[in-house]
Amino acid sequence: DVKVTQSSRYLVKRTGEKVFLECVQDMDHENMFWYRQDPGLGLRLIYFSYDVKMKEKGDIPEGYSVSREKKERFSLILESASTNQTSMYLCASSLPGQGIWEQYFGPGTRLTVT
Amino acid sequence: DQQVKQNSPSLSVQEGRISILNCDYTNSMFDYFLWYKKYPAEGPTFLISISSIKDKNEDGRFTVFLNKSAKHLSLHIVPSQPGDSAVYFCAASAREYGNKLVFGAGTILRVKS
Repeated sequence: DVKVTQSSRYLVKRTGEKVFLECVQDMDHENMFWYRQDPGLGLRLIYFSYDVKMKEKGDIPEGYSVSREKKERFSLILESASTNQTSMYLCASSLPGQGIWEQYFGPGTRLTVT
Repeated sequence: DQQVKQNSPSLSVQEGRISILNCDYTNSMFDYFLWYKKYPAEGPTFLISISSIKDKNEDGRFTVFLNKSAKHLSLHIVPSQPGDSAVYFCAASAREYGNKLVFGAGTILRVKS
């Protein structure tokens, strides 16, 4: 079974803090993704990575950065958290080629920025 | 501007009956469509998919129909079971856009026993 784990289920941070969200997958997947889920908006792609040290912007990258130093780990960084970044953050991974769409998701991190 | 729309925020169905979840898209470049299911406190899980070269794909109780001319797809669940109660997300992808998934807002399905 593919397992995608996220470092925290719930996180509360103050405005202006630097926030790190960690994601680890154990199936040697090349592709990893970060989404945020908001009511009425579904899942929106923040960043994704096809390989180690490789990253590409998704649809809403502003205010975020990412790091992929190892194949199994993909980190999302909020350089200076703001209240509009309060959301559910979901990490996912997938195989390359045809498997890219069948993404395996972690349980999510609910981040509250006060 | 949402390219993938699920216009029904919620749907309530009696156990044993058919559930029909709908999804509309605006981008004619989309060539692969998926449905994901999400329980509370869990991440979404892949349910079923369909390529734009097909108009129907079936997997057990789940069938997805694609109407390209109408830019519409639907997920049928027959028969519905209480364990099907979850949020269902429609998603679409296009090779021209690097195979990123574009998700709809989701539909909450409640199956009553």
